[in-house]
Amino acid sequence: GENVEQHPSTLSVQEGDSAVIKCTYSDSASNYFPWYKQELGKGPQLIIDIRSNVGEKKDQRIAVTLNKTAKHFSLHITETQPEDSAVYFCAASIGAAGNKLTFGGGTRVLVKP
Amino acid sequence: ETGVTQSPTHLIKTRGQQVTLRCSSQSGHNTVSWYQQALGQGPQFIFQYYREEENGRGNFPPRFSGLQFPNYSSELNVNALELDDSALYLCASSPSRDRGRDTQYFGPGTRLTVL
Repeated sequence: GENVEQHPSTLSVQEGDSAVIKCTYSDSASNYFPWYKQELGKGPQLIIDIRSNVGEKKDQRIAVTLNKTAKHFSLHITETQPEDSAVYFCAASIGAAGNKLTFGGGTRVLVKP
Repeated sequence: ETGVTQSPTHLIKTRGQQVTLRCSSQSGHNTVSWYQQALGQGPQFIFQYYREEENGRGNFPPRFSGLQFPNYSSELNVNALELDDSALYLCASSPSRDRGRDTQYFGPGTRLTVL
């Protein structure tokens, strides 16, 4: 089955700096890659997603890049703010008939003011 | 907020008991997926329901079972609870299971503690 590795497990950045989280996946059939943000005591919140027919997608301060050949994808957050502090999860799925999301282990991001 | 609601918020059970968790999907969504999230880990897929039928299952034993109702709300049932079942149980709904409309939106979860 699919295996998703996520790095780093913790990331501390200064407010205003950029943060980058990287994930690799094992199943070349995977074609859908969402990113979720989870705050303490809450469920995961979708922040951006990308499908395999696109190499990059951007939404304001957040961008995701996908390299299908290397089977890795990354989340980039620019101009970080204290409210960006949370745990971020990447996920992958084949998305044929319904999505079975396989999640990475998570990255705890701390933005220091 | 996603519009996905779950109940109860917290639950404490003892080993061997049975538990039922409930999820109301976002309006217009006909697909519901359940995930188990152990402390400090990413969510793990349990199963998915589409139009009242199971549409895929993860690596969980048969004592984990589910239902989806005509209004697309769903239940997760766990029999013979074990200590390792202690986790946050997440429900996610999506507009459809069709590719392009299968983005999953999560509820707040139910925290289950098994003593």
